[in-house]
Amino acid sequence: DIVMTQSPDSLAVSLGERATINCKSSQSVLYDSNKKNYFAWYQQKPGQPPNLLIYWASTRESGVPDRFSGSGSGTDFTLTISSLQAEDVAVYYCQQYYSNPHTFGQGTKLEIK
Amino acid sequence: QVQLEQSGSELKKPGASVKVSCKASGYSFSDYGVNWVRQAPGQGPEWMGWINTKTGNPTYVQGFTGRIVFSLDTSVSTAYLQISSLKAEDTAVYYCARGGRTFESSGGNFAWFDSWGQGTLVTVSS
Repeated sequence: DIVMTQSPDSLAVSLGERATINCKSSQSVLYDSNKKNYFAWYQQKPGQPPNLLIYWASTRESGVPDRFSGSGSGTDFTLTISSLQAEDVAVYYCQQYYSNPHTFGQGTKLEIK
Repeated sequence: QVQLEQSGSELKKPGASVKVSCKASGYSFSDYGVNWVRQAPGQGPEWMGWINTKTGNPTYVQGFTGRIVFSLDTSVSTAYLQISSLKAEDTAVYYCARGGRTFESSGGNFAWFDSWGQGTLVTVSS
């Protein structure tokens, strides 16, 4: 199974500042034939299901604010929130869908400083 | 718009079975796979497997094989998760989530989850 490891486990950032969350996979999730990274980011607020933010490592889902961006390739990925808003307080998860079983990171809890 | 509506919370005794439903609307049900995800209290999501809504073929994660069954009723655009021989450690919120397009080469297996049900809390307690 591919193990997804996020860092940090928790993060406190001031409103308007940049937040950066990292995720490392135990093996590459880059598919050679189409050069796509089979990797996604989700946001989960208390009492709600996860909400898709980013897929193919860097493609923003429709309706997601452009302050959210994804980058990285192979085994190392980053989610960046360019200017933190109060509504961004949540737990963020990375996921690989390159192979079965699909696996998630342990989550990063983002709070306001 | 795309919606996945799940059945309500369940309280079950150890050893019992539970069946969770997930009714899809706003899209053609057979065009996208349905995934099942478990989230234990305070834990991250855990993928249980998925079902190809065009062929009915299920794929189960190894740790769940033998105790879970995915099924469909395409006439009412609904997917089901049945868990048998429930244990206390099965206490969790169970989500259905829309996956990839079934007409792709993978059948929709290798894709992100773009729409989720609201979750069904299953509590196993004597």
